[in-house]
Amino acid sequence: DAGVTQSPTHLIKTRGQQVTLRCSPKSGHDTVSWYQQALGQGPQFIFQYYEEEERQRGNFPDRFSGHQFPNYSSELNVNALLLGDSALYLCASSFLGTQYFGPGTRLTVL
Amino acid sequence: TQLLEQSPQFLSIQEGENLTVYCNSSSVFSSLQWYRQEPGEGPVLLVTVVTGGEVKKLKRLTFQFGDARKDSSLHITAAQPGDTGLYLCAGVRAGGTSYGKLTFGQGTILTVHP
Repeated sequence: DAGVTQSPTHLIKTRGQQVTLRCSPKSGHDTVSWYQQALGQGPQFIFQYYEEEERQRGNFPDRFSGHQFPNYSSELNVNALLLGDSALYLCASSFLGTQYFGPGTRLTVL
Repeated sequence: TQLLEQSPQFLSIQEGENLTVYCNSSSVFSSLQWYRQEPGEGPVLLVTVVTGGEVKKLKRLTFQFGDARKDSSLHITAAQPGDTGLYLCAGVRAGGTSYGKLTFGQGTILTVHP
C-alpha cells in the first residue's frame, strides 16, 4: 500500500513565477491538508481539502490556492512567488483521524 | 506567540543517555501527535494520544499526555545515534470545527553522538 506521494521532489523558480505542487493521498484517505515548513521550524497549516472543497484555511495570502480532484488527489498553486515562499511543502492525508505526511516538495525561489 | 511550545529546541547528548522533550500549551487539545522528521523528508508519525493522563510506550520511547490535555512529553531511554532527528509535537485543538487541523510546535532537534 503506497503512502502519501508528492511531486516534484525539488523545484527551483524565480520571483514572480507561479508553481503547482501535486499530492496523491494514502489509499482510503479522503482528506488532504497542505503545510509549509521553513528551515528549522515546525510546519504551518495552509489549507485542507475535503470533498473537492476547501474546508479550512490557515493564515496564508490568496496567492496560495488549491484544488482537490474526484480521486482525492490535490494540487497546491502559488502565484507571484516571493523569496519567502522558499520552504518544504508537505501534504498530509487522513480519513477521520491521524494525518500521514508525504516526503514533501522542496521549493527554492531565487 | 506559539500555541504549542516545545522545549528544549536543541539537545545534544551521548549514546546511552536518557532525555525528555516537552510540549506545552495553555489550550486544550482533543488529540496530540508526536512525529520524527529527518532532513529533506516528511514527518513520520510516532504516536497519537487522545486521553488525558494516557501513557504510551514504543520500544525505548515513552509518550505521556497531560491530565488536562494541555501538555505532553516524550522520554527516550538509552538514546542511540539512530534516534537523531527533528521531533515535532502537533495537536488538534478541542472544540470548534478544527476538522483535524494540526498545530505544530517549533520542534526539538536531537543529536545523539556515538
